[in-house]
Amino acid sequence: QQQVKQSPQSLIVQKGGIPIINCAYENTAFDYFPWYQQFPGKGPALLIAIRPDVSEKKEGRFTISFNKSAKQFSLHIMDSQPGDSATYFCAASKTKLVFGQGTRLTINP
Amino acid sequence: NAGVTQTPKFQVLKTGQSMTLQCAQDMNHNSMYWYRQDPGMGLRLIYYSASEGTTDKGEVPNGYNVSRLNKREFSLRLESAAPSQTSVYFCASSEDRYSNQPQHFGDGTRLSIL
Repeated sequence: QQQVKQSPQSLIVQKGGIPIINCAYENTAFDYFPWYQQFPGKGPALLIAIRPDVSEKKEGRFTISFNKSAKQFSLHIMDSQPGDSATYFCAASKTKLVFGQGTRLTINP
Repeated sequence: NAGVTQTPKFQVLKTGQSMTLQCAQDMNHNSMYWYRQDPGMGLRLIYYSASEGTTDKGEVPNGYNVSRLNKREFSLRLESAAPSQTSVYFCASSEDRYSNQPQHFGDGTRLSIL
């Protein structure tokens, strides 16, 4: 069963726009919620992560919003750039990472 | 600093053949992982090794075996390859198995089973 559900599957945004990727989880024991970024031909790389005692975390242009009661979290990319075009995975973990299905993001110039 | 190195990068096998995927990390990490990535499925954990000398099954272990050769190396073996094992395989490592430790991934092995 899919414990972490991610949407949308694909997303196209104009440069400067704010793409938003959403994830929902089922297991309330999860205590670590990272986002990974993957470029074609490369492995995923940790982008930003949050723990459930925090409702928001910002690192540069990337922000995670976390809603513990709704069991949902999302990634926002401010002032998006063509170089942000990649596949993004949310994940959740207690002792092992469970990944969402991935979102292929395209930022058009 | 190489990080996590996987070999080979590409491989084509025939059904029934066997092969071993190699992974090595140079970050002195205790924990290592093998994932497979399929379209629309995200990454799914096959096996992991929390520390040298231990291995445990993940979500999709059937058809695979692993060996934690030493602290640096963690190999994945397909004994009798099947078309359903066509996938991209990623090895990862982390400082330890606790949830707040980031995992570092290699660049993958693209495996096709004909």
